[in-house]
Amino acid sequence: SQTIHQWPATLVQPVGSPLSLECTVEGTSNPNLYWYRQAAGRGLQLLFYSVGIGQISSEVPQNLSASRPQDRQFILSSKKLLLSDSGFYLCAWSGGWETQYFGPGTRLLVL
Amino acid sequence: AQRVTQPEKLLSVFKGAPVELKCNYSYSGSPELFWYVQYSRQRLQLLLRHISRESIKGFTADLNKGETSFHLKKPFAQEEDSAMYYCALSASYNTDKLIFGTGTRLQVFP
Repeated sequence: SQTIHQWPATLVQPVGSPLSLECTVEGTSNPNLYWYRQAAGRGLQLLFYSVGIGQISSEVPQNLSASRPQDRQFILSSKKLLLSDSGFYLCAWSGGWETQYFGPGTRLLVL
Repeated sequence: AQRVTQPEKLLSVFKGAPVELKCNYSYSGSPELFWYVQYSRQRLQLLLRHISRESIKGFTADLNKGETSFHLKKPFAQEEDSAMYYCALSASYNTDKLIFGTGTRLQVFP
């Protein structure tokens, strides 16, 4: 069966520090991959999506970037974190025009 | 532009009362709509999708293209229904990107 992992579960980082959040999927190949940010009162905002290795589409301009170095690995990064980057980050995968399956999420607090 | 609107941030009902969580959408094409749910300390997960025309945990949702709505309904709420509910719209056949509403927290009191 397919599973999706995210780590770390919680992260506290100072302003200006770099960020790397990792998401991996098991049990499927060539998934569509997504990064969302979940903020209180603002729902889920799609940040990036990828339909294949090295293929990244950005949905909103921001301080973050994404990469897909392997078929089932999706990384969310930042060179310098801002206070406004705090939030709950969710990774998801889908098999193409189907249900999206979400990971457990990473709670990021930037101080 | 595609948009999903959930006008209620919080909906509180007593056990056994009917529940309707509202969702309106804006989309020029033929929409694919979903309801996702997040129970406390659990992952966000699919509750139902409109093309399946199914009832999950007693919930149903009917797509009304005239009113551009996809409200989630349950005739008798249970305490275990307390959760965060998100309505979502699929914007593209190629990538199945989802556009989510801001969510409605349902609280069911005993």
